[in-house]
Amino acid sequence: QKEVEQNSGPLSVPEGAIASLNCTYSDRGSQSFFWYRQYSGKSPELIMFIYSNGDKEDGRFTAQLNKASQYVSLLIRDSQPSDSATYLCAVNLRGGADGLTFGKGTHLIIQP
Amino acid sequence: GAVVSQHPSWVICKSGTSVKIECRSLDFQATTMFWYRQFPKQSLMLMATSNEGSKATYEQGVEKDKFLINHASLTLSTLTVTSAHPEDSSFYICSATRQGRFQPQHFGDGTRLSIL
Repeated sequence: QKEVEQNSGPLSVPEGAIASLNCTYSDRGSQSFFWYRQYSGKSPELIMFIYSNGDKEDGRFTAQLNKASQYVSLLIRDSQPSDSATYLCAVNLRGGADGLTFGKGTHLIIQP
Repeated sequence: GAVVSQHPSWVICKSGTSVKIECRSLDFQATTMFWYRQFPKQSLMLMATSNEGSKATYEQGVEKDKFLINHASLTLSTLTVTSAHPEDSSFYICSATRQGRFQPQHFGDGTRLSIL
C-alpha cells in the first residue's frame, strides 16, 4: 500500500526564517514527487516537483529528494506570512500516468 | 501556464439528486484527468483516473455506478454523482496533466458539494 507521511504540525516559524517541511514515502518505486500548497477551503496549488536525487531550487523554494532514504523535503527561505498554509507532499508511482498519493499535509504558520 | 477550470464551485441540493461536475483544461490538451475527494481535515484521496476515449479506472472502494465519469474530449472530463446522499458531501477536485513523463498535475478550483 502506498503511503506518504508528513508531520501534521502546526509548524510555527518566525517571519524571515527558513521553514523546513519533511515527507517520507513507502513505495521505493515512486518516480516523481510534488509539493502543493493549500489554503483553507481552496484547491492545491503546485509549488515544486522533483524526480532526480538532489536539490532543485525555484526562487525562495528548494525541494530536496533522497530516494535511498525515501525522503523528500521542502525549504522555504525568507518565510512570509502569506506562506502560511497547509503543504501537501504528493508522490507519483509511474511518473505521470498515475494519480497522486498525498500525505495529510503540514500546517505551516509564519509568525509576523 | 496550465489552467484547469472546474464548474460549479458550489452545489447545495437535496438527497437523491444527481449532480454533474465539469473539469476543463483551458490551455492544453489533457489525455488524462484525475478526480479527487477531500473530506474536512483530511488530505486528498484519488477517486478515479479518466482517460480520453476510454473507461475510467476507479480506486478501490469507489463505486463506479455512483460516480460516473466521462472524458469525451482532450479538454473535458465530467463527474456525475448519482442519487447523492449526505455522506457524499465533500470537496471534489479534478486535475489534469499534459502528456509526457514527469508532468505535474494541475488542479481545478474544486467543487464543494453539500447534500441536504
